[in-house]
Amino acid sequence: LAKTTQPISMDSYEGQEVNITCSHNNIATNDYITWYQQFPSQGPRFIIQGYKTKVTNEVASLFIPADRKSSTLSLPRVSLSDTAVYYCLVGDKAPGRRALTFGSGTRLQVQP
Amino acid sequence: DAGVTQSPTHLIKTRGQQVTLRCSPKSGHDTVSWYQQALGQGPQFIFQYYEEEERQRGNFPDRFSGHQFPNYSSELNVNALLLGDSALYLCASSSGLAGVAELFFGEGSRLTVL
Repeated sequence: LAKTTQPISMDSYEGQEVNITCSHNNIATNDYITWYQQFPSQGPRFIIQGYKTKVTNEVASLFIPADRKSSTLSLPRVSLSDTAVYYCLVGDKAPGRRALTFGSGTRLQVQP
Repeated sequence: DAGVTQSPTHLIKTRGQQVTLRCSPKSGHDTVSWYQQALGQGPQFIFQYYEEEERQRGNFPDRFSGHQFPNYSSELNVNALLLGDSALYLCASSSGLAGVAELFFGEGSRLTVL
């Protein structure tokens, strides 16, 4: 499985756009990039998944350059409720029966 | 429709004791995975069950065991508890053909070992 590297923590203010970058230099051809969000004392929750270029949903955008060795999760106009840990994972698209490998994630603190 | 439910939510044990944690998967899911999350760390995969058998296992000792019942619910058992077993234990459910967006985690059982 491709190893991922993310910043340990980030700080932001309400209303700002937050970009969290993940490095995955050894990503395989079949690998997708997936981001999870975790609030304190809750289980992780799927945010977004992509393979290349850009993916956008109602929560976030995911930017993936052509070489796919990194990706950036973009959270538009964050609020206090976006304070959480964000995990970048790399692996098969359909891991219904695959063990997920989480790193330590990025702890985002949003302040008023 | 209930999501993934876990019980108990919190519990305290002493070293050497045994603990059983329970998980009911989301309706329609047949696969249950267990993860251990130490404070400040990401979740670590323990094992996965479907069709009532352990199918995959992470790097955990055999003090960690599990079971899946015909109704797809699951138990995680930890014997001879160590202080280092203190963690949030997460259950995740899915189906065999599910994509990653259909992997659901419960809120976890927080175990404290004294």
